Amino acid sequence: DAGITQSPRHKVTETGTPVTLRCHQTENHRYMYWYRQDPGHGLRLIHYSYGVKDTDKGEVSDGYSVSRSKTEDFLLTLESATSSQTSVYFCAISDSNRLDNEQFFGPGTRLTVL
Amino acid sequence: AQSVTQLGSHVSVSEGALVLLRCNYSSSVPPYLFWYVQYPNQGLQLLLKYTTGATLVKGINGFEAEFKKSETSFHLTKPSAHMSDAAEYFCAVRTALVNEKLTFGTGTRLTIIP
Repeated sequence: DAGITQSPRHKVTETGTPVTLRCHQTENHRYMYWYRQDPGHGLRLIHYSYGVKDTDKGEVSDGYSVSRSKTEDFLLTLESATSSQTSVYFCAISDSNRLDNEQFFGPGTRLTVL
Repeated sequence: AQSVTQLGSHVSVSEGALVLLRCNYSSSVPPYLFWYVQYPNQGLQLLLKYTTGATLVKGINGFEAEFKKSETSFHLTKPSAHMSDAAEYFCAVRTALVNEKLTFGTGTRLTIIP
């Protein structure tokens, strides 16, 4: 299995509080992604990174920010959590941007915003 | 833009029966197609992918899929279902269109009836 960990694995928070989710990889892969998984929507890309300090927005980036100061860590921050951000968040990594490249997924973080 | 449609959010089959999960894509350029599987409380893992060449693609755990350009389909099959196949399955597409990332379908939950 690809070495990807996510922390925390579960979190319950209140509306309006800041939340940071961490993705850590030991594969030295260049590309990292944050997705959210919601029933009826599948997985949707929030943000991605193509190198240290290089990030870009995905399909559903509003309300989220990211940072990547080291190859191995990719942080997802909800500046002021809302109930609509209750979801399961997955980090993924890949070693290239080739069109046929596989993405490897972490175990997910279940976030509940009350 | 590219998109994926998975027909049937829930599919139930008896153990030993044929598994057929449907995926149709929309793309104005040749697609790269993927099937990922998600077991309960885990991240996604790649089952198989189509890039170019042979249209019948074999994956792990006895699954295969056939790319049919004329039908814009990439259905997933397995001749004989096993209890361990119970999971959620996601079809995904990617193309060479500028700024297009991996796009997932909404998923199909497969239940195996003993």
